[in-house]
Amino acid sequence: DAKTTQPNSMESNEEEPVHLPCNHSTISGTDYIHWYRQLPSQGPEYVIHGLTSNVNNRMASLAIAEDRKSSTLILHRATLRDAAVYYCILSYGGSQGNLIFGKGTKLSVKP
Amino acid sequence: EAGVAQSPRYKIIEKRQSVAFWCNPISGHATLYWYQQILGQGPKLLIQFQNNGVVDDSQLPKDRFSAERLKGVDSTLKIQPAKLEDSAVYLCASSPRADTEAFFGQGTRLTVV
Repeated sequence: DAKTTQPNSMESNEEEPVHLPCNHSTISGTDYIHWYRQLPSQGPEYVIHGLTSNVNNRMASLAIAEDRKSSTLILHRATLRDAAVYYCILSYGGSQGNLIFGKGTKLSVKP
Repeated sequence: EAGVAQSPRYKIIEKRQSVAFWCNPISGHATLYWYQQILGQGPKLLIQFQNNGVVDDSQLPKDRFSAERLKGVDSTLKIQPAKLEDSAVYLCASSPRADTEAFFGQGTRLTVV
């Protein structure tokens, strides 16, 4: 399975944009890029996913590099409730089955 | 819309005892997953069901773990006998199909002493 690399932790100030990077240099052409986040004492929560084009939804934006070897999750205006562990995950053909979660990036948001 | 329900929320047992966890997925979701999350790590898939059939149980320690999904709705995960290293949060998730987003429950925190 293709692997992802994320920083262990990041800090942000409230109401500022946050760019969470993810490297996936061994991604294959059929791998989708998924982002989930996990708030303290909660189960993971779906954020966004994409294949080649940039994606936007009400929670975030996903910017995918042209060569697809990296991607960035963008939170446009961080709030205290966005403090969580963010996981970048690859899956074959878009299937959510057997999502291989790494350790993710722990995002702290300062007021 | 009601989310994925899991019970109990917390469980403490002694090693070699048995334990069972229950999951009620979101209504109409055909795909159900059980994940194990050890402290400080990301969740790891144990088993995936499509309706009441098993799609993937390659990472389920079958000598002590078992899971079933009767009638393609509720599911139970059992550990018998438990070991200290089974201490973890057990997460259930469901999705309408395998290629749509998964919705997770709050999990059951198991402590084996």
